[in-house]
Amino acid sequence: KQEVTQIPAALSVPEGENLVLNCSFTDSAIYNLQWFRQDPGKGLTSLLLIQSSQREQTSGRLNASLDKSSGRSTLYIAASQPGDSATYLCAVLNTGNQFYFGTGTSLTVIP
Amino acid sequence: DVKVTQSSRYLVKRTGEKVFLECVQDMDHENMFWYRQDPGLGLRLIYFSYDVKMKEKGDIPEGYSVSREKKERFSLILESASTNQTSMYLCASSSGGQGDKNEKLFFGSGTQLSVL
Repeated sequence: KQEVTQIPAALSVPEGENLVLNCSFTDSAIYNLQWFRQDPGKGLTSLLLIQSSQREQTSGRLNASLDKSSGRSTLYIAASQPGDSATYLCAVLNTGNQFYFGTGTSLTVIP
Repeated sequence: DVKVTQSSRYLVKRTGEKVFLECVQDMDHENMFWYRQDPGLGLRLIYFSYDVKMKEKGDIPEGYSVSREKKERFSLILESASTNQTSMYLCASSSGGQGDKNEKLFFGSGTQLSVL
């Protein structure tokens, strides 16, 4: 069964710093990987989706990379802001058409 | 943009009550999902549906049932609510194309259910 891990569970950085969040998965038979943001008490908002054949995707200050063969993805956030404080989750869609989620990284950006 | 709407943001119920959580999506998606989210446990799949009137058990279906009478609506039912069902409930939908590398999950804003 696919297992998705996100390390660290929590991260605290000063405003303006660049940072990297990590996501690893055990089974490389995936269609895509999706990064989400979740604010406290709210639903998940999709940030980026990387198809299995792609290496990276960018949206504004966010850049997500995928190395399918090693089972890793990173979410790079440039010039972090207090408004980036949230929990970030990754999810993979495997070739059995099921979604598997990590438990998330809680990010705090200190003004 | 896809909109997934959950009928209630907050709900307080008593043990033993029958509880209905409603979810509606507006993009003609085939697939719909119900998850619960608890601190330290992440998202856990309760039930999902790939078509109207079709349902499949997820990882934790005990104590829950679902209904999908129309394509756009997926309801989660707690037959007899218990305190251990206090949780955040999240509905999601996806287009459902088999092998579609662009298949994306869209979530509702969640329902925080408290069972007293």
